[in-house]
Amino acid sequence: QITLKESGPTLVKPTQTLTLTCTFSGFSLSTSGVGVGWIRQPPGKALEWLALIYWDDDKRYSPSLKSRLTITKDTSKNQVVLTMTNMDPVDTATYYCAHSGDDILTAYFGYWGQGTLVTVSS
Amino acid sequence: AIRMTQSPSSLSASTGDRVTITCRASQGISSYLAWYQQKPGKAPKLLIYAASTLQSGVPSRFSGSGSGTDFTLTISCLQSEDFATYYCQQYYSYPITFGQGTRLEIK
Repeated sequence: QITLKESGPTLVKPTQTLTLTCTFSGFSLSTSGVGVGWIRQPPGKALEWLALIYWDDDKRYSPSLKSRLTITKDTSKNQVVLTMTNMDPVDTATYYCAHSGDDILTAYFGYWGQGTLVTVSS
Repeated sequence: AIRMTQSPSSLSASTGDRVTITCRASQGISSYLAWYQQKPGKAPKLLIYAASTLQSGVPSRFSGSGSGTDFTLTISCLQSEDFATYYCQQYYSYPITFGQGTRLEIK
């Protein structure tokens, strides 16, 4: 049974760095065929893909946010961490992590975490 | 980036109706398209991948078709639990992109 769960702060101030952790079970990111992605959704708006990390440590980022994002994995802890620098109120959103296949042609998201709402406000 | 455009943006229908949602890609994506259902306050749920392959456990009243640039999601006989927002997603090339969503409401 695959599960994922996001954790991190619910409130960050503008210009701060956001660090989110995705803790998962039911699969290993050291096994071929696996990826974990981050997707966000501002309140009342559509889904936006942010980043993906694959089992072989290949990393992909949204071009519009690439300069602000870093995705890493800790296979021993079954965790994926996303950091986003220079947070702004427009980054207020629910952030999801999700399980995918191991390359772009299997990068649909079959399992999702429950999401975590991050509000950016002073 | 490949732009995904869904139509309509919202749709009113009744239980038992057949509904179709369209997703158009700004360039060809072969069959690398997924559909998701999202209910308020919940994470998206994968319904269909590879344009027409039903995810395990998804009712057979959901079906997908299309390739290239034009895709459809059809719900053959609406049930009360199907009223939600639906998103398409392309995974043909980076950046991965989603449609803007189609809200399916009860008439």
